[in-house]
Amino acid sequence: GQNIDQPTEMTATEGAIVQINCTYQTSGFNGLFWYQQHAGEAPTFLSYNVLDGLEEKGRFSSFLSRSKGYSYLLLKELQMKDSASYLCAPQGGYQKVTFGTGTKLQVIP
Amino acid sequence: DSGVTQTPKHLITATGQRVTLRCSPRSGDLSVYWYQQSLDQGLQFLIQYYNGEERAKGNILERFSAQQFPDLHSELNLSSLELGDSALYFCASSSGTGNSSPLHFGNGTRLTVT
Repeated sequence: GQNIDQPTEMTATEGAIVQINCTYQTSGFNGLFWYQQHAGEAPTFLSYNVLDGLEEKGRFSSFLSRSKGYSYLLLKELQMKDSASYLCAPQGGYQKVTFGTGTKLQVIP
Repeated sequence: DSGVTQTPKHLITATGQRVTLRCSPRSGDLSVYWYQQSLDQGLQFLIQYYNGEERAKGNILERFSAQQFPDLHSELNLSSLELGDSALYFCASSSGTGNSSPLHFGNGTRLTVT
């Protein structure tokens, strides 16, 4: 089965750094995606981790610990446009991707 | 533009009716996924197809069915509609050939049941 836990909401200041945590339990774990979703819009792909460690991609980085069932998304130099929901999505067997309820991030001036 | 096309964009219908949502995946993608997102809720996985075959099933109601056709487009059929079925329905596609293939989402079909 799938069990994904993320904070419901977070607030951070423009220019700051924010870390969004995710814990998961997934049968047949094959990797973990992070997506960004603005209200009423389609989710867009941010990052993918399959091995333990940090993947850096510009202002966004994602970390994975498979043994702990834990991941985080790190957003640096926050901009107002980063206000959105961030979805943690572990991938299980047959490439099935299950999404958490998401963390709604509000960036304030 | 993700390359995934969903039609229609909006659908308003009455309880008890049946509707069909259509999805054309990105060129070359073999996997199609369907998700339901109710207001302020997460994405609920419904069903996944790979090259015409059902690959994984989530919490899809018996009133809902789907299929993927030989040209790889997919349709999600919702019948005996209830008010609670009002939601945004997303289709996503991926190449399906490797675990690292991200899902690319269409813009969704917003279904309103009155």
